[in-house]
Amino acid sequence: DADVTQTPRNRITKTGKRIMLECSQTKGHDRMYWYRQDPGLGLRLIYYSFDVKDINKGEISDGYSVSRQAQAKFSLSLESAIPNQTALYFCASGGAGNNEQFFGPGTRLTVL
Amino acid sequence: QQQVKQSPQSLIVQKGGISIINCAYENTAFDYFPWYQQFPGKGPALLIAIRPDVSEKKEGRFTISFNKSAKQFSLHIMDSQPGDSATYFCAAEKETSGSRLTFGEGTQLTVNP
Repeated sequence: DADVTQTPRNRITKTGKRIMLECSQTKGHDRMYWYRQDPGLGLRLIYYSFDVKDINKGEISDGYSVSRQAQAKFSLSLESAIPNQTALYFCASGGAGNNEQFFGPGTRLTVL
Repeated sequence: QQQVKQSPQSLIVQKGGISIINCAYENTAFDYFPWYQQFPGKGPALLIAIRPDVSEKKEGRFTISFNKSAKQFSLHIMDSQPGDSATYFCAAEKETSGSRLTFGEGTQLTVNP
């Protein structure tokens, strides 16, 4: 089984809808991250969490919110989706004292 | 403002050739420089990384060259293989920030048979 899983893998929604992307990891990591990937822009950090009680904004947090329900679970919400939030979203996890981040398979989100 | 700039955006190499991808960074506080490899339909995965106390790191066919004074680093793939075809991302981090990576724009590498 994959160490970092994301659901759903694909989602099409309409402008104005609320949507939640979920991420779970079985690696026992304290740190979890949400990124979005756009062609020509690389991966940009949306939010990150170093433990259940620690949530931090990344470089592009506007229009997004997150919830760290448990050490293993970190969800990303779009309160009112807009078309320019169409992108590939990745969740990642990492251990304290270890620089490596482990990425999930991604969620392709399309906002019409 | 892109703090880590990567080039080229795409690269086509023949099997057996050398692939070279370049990155430049602005923040002199960065002290950890990884490269991630991403295959279609998958998430990125760490390939190789370097810290600025060395100028080169080699792992198999993959080598990072680091030039601290120029604030540049590059990935060299020797004897490139079709299986190396993927998107490559450079990244940079200030380790005291707690693993907050800043990624480059990505390079799509195609290795022709």
